[in-house]
Amino acid sequence: AQKITQTQPGMFVQEKEAVTLDCTYDTSDPSYGLFWYKQPSSGEMIFLIYQGSYDQQNATEGRYSLNFQKARKSANLVISASQLGDSAMYFCAMREGFSGGYNKLIFGAGTRLAVHP
Amino acid sequence: DTAVSQTPKYLVTQMGNDKSIKCEQNLGHDTMYWYKQDSKKFLKIMFSYNNKELIINETVPNRFSPKSPDKAHLNLHINSLELGDSAVYFCASSHPESHTEAFFGQGTRLTVV
Repeated sequence: AQKITQTQPGMFVQEKEAVTLDCTYDTSDPSYGLFWYKQPSSGEMIFLIYQGSYDQQNATEGRYSLNFQKARKSANLVISASQLGDSAMYFCAMREGFSGGYNKLIFGAGTRLAVHP
Repeated sequence: DTAVSQTPKYLVTQMGNDKSIKCEQNLGHDTMYWYKQDSKKFLKIMFSYNNKELIINETVPNRFSPKSPDKAHLNLHINSLELGDSAVYFCASSHPESHTEAFFGQGTRLTVV
């Protein structure tokens, strides 16, 4: 079974609008972390935001917020006020457990976001 | 200052050759990783090292041999390259205590011809 599912292969949004990128996960570990990374066309992986499984509040980082619904096992990324530079591939990832060195990230298939002027 | 740096950024080589990709991090992290991104953009862990000790080896062919001379470096050596090894290889590092993020290098695009 897939651990991280991103059901939207591609998304379009108008500049200055908000967009939600979906991510669902599957784990039986009570301790886990959820991540979003951005990969622009230049290829680098840019960390955006993190949510821990025990965090009570949704994570926010500037225009990025993570809509964490633990019971539904979803961790959607919300980008507010989209900019042309937000056009990129977005990856949701999960880390299970907190054992040193065993903290591999499991990635979803990614969502390609295109921001239109 | 670059936090995680990989060299080279691009590598084109013939089948059967042996090549290395170097990775260095200046973040003081204890844990380093190699990930492979295939042509469909799917990212998968290959190796994880913690304090120079191999922790994770995700059924990677033994033609791939990581080497960690110290905890700031994790190099990837690939023997007898095959066409299917063509991919983007990412090095990453994280601090096992913080759990909050892994920093990635800029990636090495390997093309085997």
